[in-house]
This record gives sequence, C-alpha cells and structure tokens, in this order.
Amino acid sequence: QKEVEQDPGPLSVPEGAIVSLNCTYSNSAFQYFMWYRQYSRKGPELLMYTYSSGNKEDGRFTAQVDKSSKYISLFIRDSQPSDSATYLCAVEGFQKLVFGTGTRLLVSP
Amino acid sequence: KAGVTQTPRYLIKTRGQQVTLSCSPISGHRSVSWYQQTPGQGLQFLFEYFSETQRNKGNFPGRFSGRQFSNSRSEMNVSTLELGDSALYLCASTVTSGRDETQYFGPGTRLLVL
Repeated sequence: QKEVEQDPGPLSVPEGAIVSLNCTYSNSAFQYFMWYRQYSRKGPELLMYTYSSGNKEDGRFTAQVDKSSKYISLFIRDSQPSDSATYLCAVEGFQKLVFGTGTRLLVSP
Repeated sequence: KAGVTQTPRYLIKTRGQQVTLSCSPISGHRSVSWYQQTPGQGLQFLFEYFSETQRNKGNFPGRFSGRQFSNSRSEMNVSTLELGDSALYLCASTVTSGRDETQYFGPGTRLLVL
C-alpha cells in the first residue's frame, strides 16, 4: 500500500467550477500537510501548508485536513484556465516527506 | 531573491554512462533535497543535504549519490545509467521558520537514457 494515494485524473472542469482534489494517507504519524502545483516543464510550487485538522483558506484555495480519516483535500473556487496544472499533495512527519503522484487538472474556458 | 537553479535543464545519455546534475539553492538556504519524478511513481525522495552532510536518504540504489559544497550548492551523480533512470530530477532548497518548513523547487533536469 502506498503511503499517500492520489487519483491521477485528469480532472476536466469548465471555467468557474469548484474543484475538489483529494488524497488519503496511511500513517497517522504524518503531521504536516501540503499542496503543490506543478505546471508543465516546471518544478512544483508550494500552494498551501498546514499542520492541523480543519480548514485553511488562501484566496480561492482552501486546504482541508481530517486527521481522523487520514484525508486531505484542496478546494479551488471559481476555477480559471490558468489553474490547469498537476496538483500534488504531500505529507510530512519524522523527517520524512512523501508526495502523492499528482492529479492533473484541466480547466476549459 | 533568485530561485533554485538547476543545470543542465535537459540531458540525453546512453545506458552505462554516468551523469552529474547540479543545483544551486536559494541564497541563505542550507538544506538541499533531491527528488526523482516519473509518471508512474510520482515524486520520490532521493536524499537531503544540510551543511555538507547527508541528513536523510531515500530507497534508491548506491548508483545514486550526492554531495553538498560549503556554498550550499549540491550535485547529484548517477553511475551506470539504466533506461529506468529516465526522469525529471528535482532539487529543492528548504527554509525553516519555527514549525514551518517550506521547500522551494527548481525547474528540474530532464534526463533521458537511451
């Protein structure tokens, strides 16, 4: 079983839609949770970082962590074509950082 | 501040050869991590260097090695290349502020092994 599971997609939505991206993880020792966005031919860039259960909001992005279910989500409101990218979740604990394989998101105008 | 830079950006090698990739972290960042990214496996951790010492290592064979210099620049070496080593190799420099640890990734070096 992989430590972090993420649906690879692609996920196709129309512009303006609310997007929900999700990951599950297996080890309750993971304490920090991140979402990265990776455009084609670029390295990942950090979008959201959180270390507690609950919601964290930053503009159109909301990260949600449910430690009891080992489930993390990223919501994108009013999605834009420029949001088209691969989104990677990552979990960290005990000096170990594990990434999901990424979900490819396509937002059509 | 300049971001993380990696050279070269693209590389083509043949099986059995060796390759050295370079990473310059953001000025002031002392921690550098290396990752291999492939479509099937995603991002996999190779190793982390801090102040010229390897602090963490992932589950890769000994053909993969690295080092860090006193100016925090890091190199990664892969010997006896195999077809399966074709991947995007990403370097990230890390800054720690209290409980927060943020990694900044470079654009990567795309390696193709023929």
